[in-house]
Amino acid sequence: DQQVKQNSPSLSVQEGRISILNCDYTNSMFDYFLWYKKYPAEGPTFLISISSIKDKNEDGRFTVFLNKSAKHLSLHIVPSQPGDSAVYFCAAKDNYGQNFVFGPGTRLSVLP
Amino acid sequence: KAGVTQTPRYLIKTRGQQVTLSCSPISGHRSVSWYQQTPGQGLQFLFEYFSETQRNKGNFPGRFSGRQFSNSRSEMNVSTLELGDSALYLCASRSFSGATNEKLFFGSGTQLSVL
Repeated sequence: DQQVKQNSPSLSVQEGRISILNCDYTNSMFDYFLWYKKYPAEGPTFLISISSIKDKNEDGRFTVFLNKSAKHLSLHIVPSQPGDSAVYFCAAKDNYGQNFVFGPGTRLSVLP
Repeated sequence: KAGVTQTPRYLIKTRGQQVTLSCSPISGHRSVSWYQQTPGQGLQFLFEYFSETQRNKGNFPGRFSGRQFSNSRSEMNVSTLELGDSALYLCASRSFSGATNEKLFFGSGTQLSVL
């Protein structure tokens, strides 16, 4: 039972264009959502987050959108750069058990 | 503030051996979680320790075990290694303050190869 889903295992985007990574969740107890970026053989690093009381959070080139009614969030990267090529994990935290749940990840390739 | 420190960085073992991995959390963080990442797979949750007690456990066999010390440092042990245990093992810490916007902070991982 996968509570956090990232249905696109991979995504390729041209440099300078927008990258959109999607994430769906099933548990309505999730109240905080995070995106992590991971390079090969390294640990994931925190990228951006959003609380369930908001529908948008922006940090430089990165924007996360949350649609609670659809249980869907997305990460927008504009403009995409080759250094953004990595695996992106969507994660959610529930407000009851205080547990983090990760999605399976999406591999983003930004082509020069 | 120092980040999450994992040792060793790389490890090569043979089937049937056992291995112990170490993790030092960020100072002040009382929770340590362990994850396994195999090629092409996501982050598989192993277990979480808080105040020296295991508070949550993933779906892994009993060969995988862990513990946490009074200084919040944690160790993970894998006994009777199998080829399929080859993976990147990640440790993550958090303050476990109960705050909604709490984050997990990851170490660089230990790359385990079982031959």
